[in-house]
Amino acid sequence: EIVMTQSPATLSVSPGERATLSCRASQNVNRHLAWYQQKPGQAPRLLIYVSSTRATGVPARFSGSGSGTEFTLTISSLQSEDFAVYYCQQYDSWPLFGPGTKVDIK
Amino acid sequence: EVQLVESGGGLVQPGGSLRLSCAASGFTVSSNYMSWVRQAPGKGLEWVSIIYSSGNTYYADSMKGRFTISRDNSKNTLYLQMNSLRAEDTAVYYCTMSNHPGDYFDYWGQGTLVTVSS
Repeated sequence: EIVMTQSPATLSVSPGERATLSCRASQNVNRHLAWYQQKPGQAPRLLIYVSSTRATGVPARFSGSGSGTEFTLTISSLQSEDFAVYYCQQYDSWPLFGPGTKVDIK
Repeated sequence: EVQLVESGGGLVQPGGSLRLSCAASGFTVSSNYMSWVRQAPGKGLEWVSIIYSSGNTYYADSMKGRFTISRDNSKNTLYLQMNSLRAEDTAVYYCTMSNHPGDYFDYWGQGTLVTVSS
């Protein structure tokens, strides 16, 4: 059974700074990894799939990387609208989400 | 424009049943991969069930035998029949659509809250 972990649980960042979020799978999920953004009271929004492909309309400041068991979501220069919770999700087997990383204002 | 509108949530007693609906527009439900994903209050996301365009259905282990996913092609609507509900099923239930075989979720509805409590 795959286990997904994300670190850190909370990331405090100043606007304009770079944010790096990590996601780890307990076994190889190849590049079958997606990232979502969720703001309070809203549904999640797909940001990245196949580890590094941006979904339609996602700004270029969001980038994903990794394969196998280690993945990273990078936000190059945080904007006010980027403060949210970010979830990774593997789909190499049945869909499984990580516990999330909250990005808040420093 | 793709739109997903869930309904049917509410308060139900433990052991009770509820049927959620997801009315779709802007695409054809039967030609895509439709899932339910839930989120307990203040918690993370949990995949519940999926129905493929082929009609094949799959469930998370904790929902097998209790939940049934289905679709009505004439109404372009997705359903989730939930039986033998438990307190731990309390969550916002989201309807999602994927227009590809990979099980990640491109489009999400706004969610409907199910509360299981006596």
